Formats: sequence, C-alpha cells, structure tokens
Amino acid sequence: NAGVTQTPKFQVLKTGQSMTLQCAQDMNHNSMYWYRQDPGMGLRLIYYSASEGTTDKGEVPNGYNVSRLNKREFSLRLESAAPSQTSVYFCASSDPALGGTEAFFGQGTRLTVV
Amino acid sequence: GENVEQHPSTLSVQEGDSAVIKCTYSDSASNYFPWYKQELGKRPQLIIDIRSNVGEKKDQRIAVTLNKTAKHFSLHITETQPEDSAVYFCAASIQGYQKVTFGTGTKLQVIP
Repeated sequence: NAGVTQTPKFQVLKTGQSMTLQCAQDMNHNSMYWYRQDPGMGLRLIYYSASEGTTDKGEVPNGYNVSRLNKREFSLRLESAAPSQTSVYFCASSDPALGGTEAFFGQGTRLTVV
Repeated sequence: GENVEQHPSTLSVQEGDSAVIKCTYSDSASNYFPWYKQELGKRPQLIIDIRSNVGEKKDQRIAVTLNKTAKHFSLHITETQPEDSAVYFCAASIQGYQKVTFGTGTKLQVIP
C-alpha cells in the first residue's frame, strides 16, 4: 500500500517553462488536494477535488491548473512558471465520508524556478 | 473563510521539559482540529486530532485541549525527546468538509 505518490521529487524550471506534477493515491479516497509550502507560510491550498470530475480553487490558485483524471490521479500544471512559484508542493488525499478529514500527504516536490 | 493563527513560530526546550503550541481559529462552524508533525525533508503526518464535542484528548506524551468558547486549541508535549524535534502544524476544518485550513507552523527544537 503506497498511499499517496508524487512525481517528480525535484525539478528546476526556467521562467516561462511549463510542467505537470503528478499525484496518485491508492486508498480509494474521494478528495484530493494540492498544497504549496513556503517558509513561514505553512501549507496553503492551491486547488482541491472533492470527487472525480470536480475541481475547485483554494487559497492560492493563480498560475496553476489541475486535472482530476480519475479517482486515483490528480495533476497540477504550471503553464508558465514564475520565480514566485518556487516552493515545495504536496499532494494529499482524504475521505470525509470516513468520518474525518485527515489528510494523507505525498512525499513532496521541491520546485525551483530560475 | 477560516483563519488559523499559530504561536510560537519557533520553540526551543530542554530534553525532558514540556512544550506547548497554541492556535486560534476564526470560524465558529469548525469542529475538527488535527495536528500534523513534519520532520525535516519529510511529509506532514497526523499525530493527534480532536473534535469539538471533546475538551481534551491524550495519546501517551501528547495531549490536545480545545476551548470552543474562546476558539483556541493547544498541543502539549510532555517529557520531550530529541525525536520530537520537527515542525508542527495545527489545522481546523468542518468535519465532512473537504478543506482544511492550516496554521503557519511551529519549529520545535528539543535540546539534548
């Protein structure tokens, strides 16, 4: 049971380049999330998907797009990377129907935009 | 929306002492309060949580307290050990709702 798996672990992009961060979970969770973590800012929600086929903006969605490909996979795309998007990105999943909102996190992607 | 404030941002304690981290929340509808621990270079992991129908919950050396009237909750770690050194995040949400709002984190250093 792998839990939540993210790829890649590290990435360096030039300003203006695009990339997609991949996330997959094998816990049959309905909800999936993308967070970014910056020093002193905690974890901020970028986008979330309450269920397959739905996505909603979080606190900091500008500059990002997401796709909930199926129940297992939720990808985050940067169309034109900017230095302000240098951060550590975490994917997470949960299932509120199970009685709580505990989030299970992936191992993170450290992204540097130069 | 929900706003969660967390203090202090850094905390140093001697091994064996207690550590207390405090959080406040703004949305009175929030009723689920998890705490996550993030070791250096690793993912956040849930260590304990509390629901609004409970005032206190303990798990070995860790305890959480909740004051719904004042809208604040705290994490207490007793008999701290070097392996407790990490960043701790509090969070608040409405149970069954998808979005969890996190605090900004507390870096705890336990000095041997």
